[in-house]
Amino acid sequence: SQTIHQWPATLVQPVGSPLSLECTVEGTSNPNLYWYRQAAGRGLQLLFYSVGIGQISSEVPQNLSASRPQDRQFILSSKKLLLSDSGFYLCAWSRWIKAFFGQGTRLTVV
Amino acid sequence: GNSVTQMEGPVTLSEEAFLTINCTYTATGYPSLFWYVQYPGEGLQLLLKATKADDKGSNKGFEATYRKETTSFHLEKGSVQVSDSAVYFCALGGDNQGGKLIFGQGTELSVKP
Repeated sequence: SQTIHQWPATLVQPVGSPLSLECTVEGTSNPNLYWYRQAAGRGLQLLFYSVGIGQISSEVPQNLSASRPQDRQFILSSKKLLLSDSGFYLCAWSRWIKAFFGQGTRLTVV
Repeated sequence: GNSVTQMEGPVTLSEEAFLTINCTYTATGYPSLFWYVQYPGEGLQLLLKATKADDKGSNKGFEATYRKETTSFHLEKGSVQVSDSAVYFCALGGDNQGGKLIFGQGTELSVKP
């Protein structure tokens, strides 16, 4: 079956600390992978998009980066977190018209 | 570029009321259109989809019709329940859009008993 794993579910990090959120996909190959952010009271903002290993498109300028070391692995990173990086981060994959979302990571930067 | 615009929330309705959440889009070509729902404390789930003009997607009593002439994909339900309280996201995408999913800002629905 097709599933997507995203962890951790919640994270509290101090300002200036690094970040690594991981997302892995099962049950499909060569998916399109996404990182979205949902800030409090706002909609989904596409951060990064990947069509294949090592291929990353950044949709908005920011303090974050993404990497795709394997076909079904997508990592969101930061070297130094800012307060404004707080939010709900969603990993997703799509193939044709199917799309699946992870459960999300609630990141609070303090 | 491609974009999706939804009506602003929150929308508050009484149980059994009629629901409409407006969604319009701007896109090149002929995208697929989707509605996703996010229940409190959960991730996004696909609610319904339509892949071409005049298609009607339906699920759990919700419906939306792909209207190419008005570039719209409004979500409707004839009689809402308290359990429908959630945030609803309209989206466009598909392989003819480079595979990307573009979302609207979401509309929060609150149904009171």
